[in-house]
Amino acid sequence: AQKVTQAQTEISVVEKEDVTLDCVYETRDTTYYLFWYKQPPSGELVFLIRRNSFDEQNEISGRYSWNFQKSTSSFNFTITASQVVDSAVYFCALSSNTGANSKLTFGKGITLSVRP
Amino acid sequence: DAGVIQSPRHEVTEMGQEVTLRCKPISGHNSLFWYRQTMMRGLELLIYFNNNVPIDDSGMPEDRFSAKMPNASFSTLKIQPSEPRDSAVYFCASSLEQWRTGELFFGEGSRLTVL
Repeated sequence: AQKVTQAQTEISVVEKEDVTLDCVYETRDTTYYLFWYKQPPSGELVFLIRRNSFDEQNEISGRYSWNFQKSTSSFNFTITASQVVDSAVYFCALSSNTGANSKLTFGKGITLSVRP
Repeated sequence: DAGVIQSPRHEVTEMGQEVTLRCKPISGHNSLFWYRQTMMRGLELLIYFNNNVPIDDSGMPEDRFSAKMPNASFSTLKIQPSEPRDSAVYFCASSLEQWRTGELFFGEGSRLTVL
């Protein structure tokens, strides 16, 4: 069975602070994908990033960076110099490449509040 | 390009009434998903279609829930009869070759309140 754990439920920071959102996953599959989605106050879910299990390179996209470590089954997300517009719920998700029946399993989400 | 379109955006109904939620996926996408989001349980996959065929409905909570996809451009999620515990935001998402990429495109959701 697949499982995604986001132990932090709510984080509050002041603008310009760096913040890291943690994600720990469980899967028996050797091939899988990890994701982060953002849900702003407007409600829709927005795809941020996908990593496959064979690529452990960290990725940076502007103020966003992701640290994937298979040894600890973690896929953490860091926002550098946070801004008020980063306030949202962030979901980590896991999908295994087991054919057409693959599911995307979400964590419970982390509510990030960035105060001015 | 139009994204995933869901209707209604908000629905308030009384217990026992039938509720029908609608979804138009992105043109060309061959996978469609219905998710439910609540504070207690987070995002739960209810059912997943691939090429209009239901592949996995193990997340459908009970027989009161049913979903159909009569063609590639339309899907419905029906609750009959509705109960207060069905109150949630229901998301529809579509994807191209989900099992390869896993990138889902979500609609804005339908917020259901059952009184």
